[in-house]
Amino acid sequence: KQEVTQIPAALSVPEGENLVLNCSFTDSAIYNLQWFRQDPGKGLTSLLLIQSSQREQTSGRLNASLDKSSGRSTLYIAASQPGDSATYLCAAPAAGNKLTFGGGTRVLVKP
Amino acid sequence: DTAVSQTPKYLVTQMGNDKSIKCEQNLGHDTMYWYKQDSKKFLKIMFSYNNKELIINETVPNRFSPKSPDKAHLNLHINSLELGDSAVYFCASSQRGPSQETQYFGPGTRLLVL
Repeated sequence: KQEVTQIPAALSVPEGENLVLNCSFTDSAIYNLQWFRQDPGKGLTSLLLIQSSQREQTSGRLNASLDKSSGRSTLYIAASQPGDSATYLCAAPAAGNKLTFGGGTRVLVKP
Repeated sequence: DTAVSQTPKYLVTQMGNDKSIKCEQNLGHDTMYWYKQDSKKFLKIMFSYNNKELIINETVPNRFSPKSPDKAHLNLHINSLELGDSAVYFCASSQRGPSQETQYFGPGTRLLVL
């Protein structure tokens, strides 16, 4: 059974600092690894999807890496802005084609 | 142009009542999902439908019954509501399964059972 863990649960940084969010998973036989953003009171928005054959994926200031052998993915957000404040969730498809989510990291970027 | 919409956005009801949550997607996707996010913010799959056919049914009490009248709609009916059903329920859709692509989420329905 796939288990996804995100540490830390919360993170507070001053504006301009780079953010590093960690995600670990127990079953390395994943099809892909997905990162989402959730704003308070809103639904989830897909940020990046890294295929199992890829090592990283980039979109603007966001870069996500994937190391299947160690069961880890890291989301880097460069030059953080107050608008980056949100909860970030990682998720991996498990057996039975179900998406298993981590508990999320709540990020606060202070102006 | 809302991609995945849910109604109602908020639902406050008494224990023992029956309620429904509706979900519609205009993305032309074949697969739709219901997730539950509890007070600790953990998000868990409940059901998944592909072309109106149930393909995922997690360990959910049978008080919860999904219904898909067509592939653009997936409704969730809950009988005999309990306090523990209080949560945020998210609908999502994708063209194919999560092993191949990401999902698009609705804004959520906040259910409070008193």
